[in-house]
Amino acid sequence: SQELEQSPQSLIVQEGKNLTINCTSSKTLYGLYWYKQKYGEGLIFLMMLQKGGEEKSHEKITAKLDEKKQQSSLHITASQPSHAGIYLCGADQYGGATNKLIFGTGTLLAVQP
Amino acid sequence: NAGVTQTPKFRILKIGQSMTLQCTQDMNHNYMYWYRQDPGMGLKLIYYSVGAGITDKGEVPNGYNVSRSTTEDFPLRLELAAPSQTSVYFCATRGAHGDTQYFGPGTRLTVL
Repeated sequence: SQELEQSPQSLIVQEGKNLTINCTSSKTLYGLYWYKQKYGEGLIFLMMLQKGGEEKSHEKITAKLDEKKQQSSLHITASQPSHAGIYLCGADQYGGATNKLIFGTGTLLAVQP
Repeated sequence: NAGVTQTPKFRILKIGQSMTLQCTQDMNHNYMYWYRQDPGMGLKLIYYSVGAGITDKGEVPNGYNVSRSTTEDFPLRLELAAPSQTSVYFCATRGAHGDTQYFGPGTRLTVL
């Protein structure tokens, strides 16, 4: 079965620092989604990547899907307290053969002022 | 547009009680999903539906039931609550294959 592994599991950074979160799949990724979750709330969609080598940015967050399409990274530049939360990656299971997404276990980010 | 709404937000049940978690969407999406999220864990799929009248099991369906009589509503039923069902439950929808999923705010359930 396909699995997504996220690293690190948790991260504490000082405000203004850059950071990277990784999502590695056991099988080729055909649709990779990044979400952010604040404690006690639902998941907010950040970005979707489909093509190998694709890179998308929104404000200070950049996501990339590597050429081999088995890993994605989420990079935050000049982190702010508003970036704190849980980041989850999701992927179309079995390349989209099902209508389901699988999810990584999440990365908890804390940003110290 | 309200998007995906879930009720209740919080609930405490006693062992053996039953309840229904409500999920309603106004986006006219065919695909709907129920997940549970345990502390420190990712999302586990309980049940999903690809359209009205069609439901299917996910990874962890035991102890739950669903129905999909309309496009808008996808209720999740717990018949005999057990402490292992203490979790946060999320409903999600998807418009089309390849689209992102849109999540509700969640229901926090505690079974004592």
